[in-house]
Amino acid sequence: GDSVTQMEGPVTLSEEAFLTINCTYTATGYPSLFWYVQYPGEGLQLLLKATKADDKGSNKGFEATYRKETTSFHLEKGSVQVSDSAVYFCAPLYGNNRLAFGKGNQVVVIP
Amino acid sequence: DTGVSQDPRHKITKRGQNVTFRCDPISEHNRLYWYRQTLGQGPEFLTYFQNEAQLEKSRLLSDRFSAERPKGSFSTLEIQRTEQGDSAMYLCASSYRPGQGDEDTQYFGPGTRLTVL
Repeated sequence: GDSVTQMEGPVTLSEEAFLTINCTYTATGYPSLFWYVQYPGEGLQLLLKATKADDKGSNKGFEATYRKETTSFHLEKGSVQVSDSAVYFCAPLYGNNRLAFGKGNQVVVIP
Repeated sequence: DTGVSQDPRHKITKRGQNVTFRCDPISEHNRLYWYRQTLGQGPEFLTYFQNEAQLEKSRLLSDRFSAERPKGSFSTLEIQRTEQGDSAMYLCASSYRPGQGDEDTQYFGPGTRLTVL
């Protein structure tokens, strides 16, 4: 069935480092793809989205490109800040408007 | 626009009791969703409404769970005879205001944290 996989484990890195969080998905069609972020003590917020192949979603310095060939939607940021510490979720939108979330990646940015 | 609101934010109950949660979507959004998130996991889809019609239900939604959206605006999620395994964050989301674009983006509320003792 349709599923999404995020890289294992928390990510700890220093301020101004480069961040990559991998996300791959399975799908029979071409779902819209989303990254959501959950800051400590807050609700889920949309970070960025892409709706078709080769689209690039971007927001707050984060980017992700819809790669149809590899069924991936990896999240990247060139220079992270302490304020980027949060949990990040990849989520394809499958049939009947169902978002399927990955397990999430805790990102901890150290000053 | 105000965002999605949920009430209560926290609920502690004893096993076997019934609980009901409320969700108010973003104004004029005609799609409403319920998800459940347990500690350390991503949210899992429970059910989805288009206006007042419940169009999709996950197999996670056992007989003890029922959701309604009687007038196509707010929604309630009721859990009967709660079990300790029901302890989780229950999230509501809404989407799709016709003609506004961004139709497939779901906006989430702050959630209701349920603890079953």
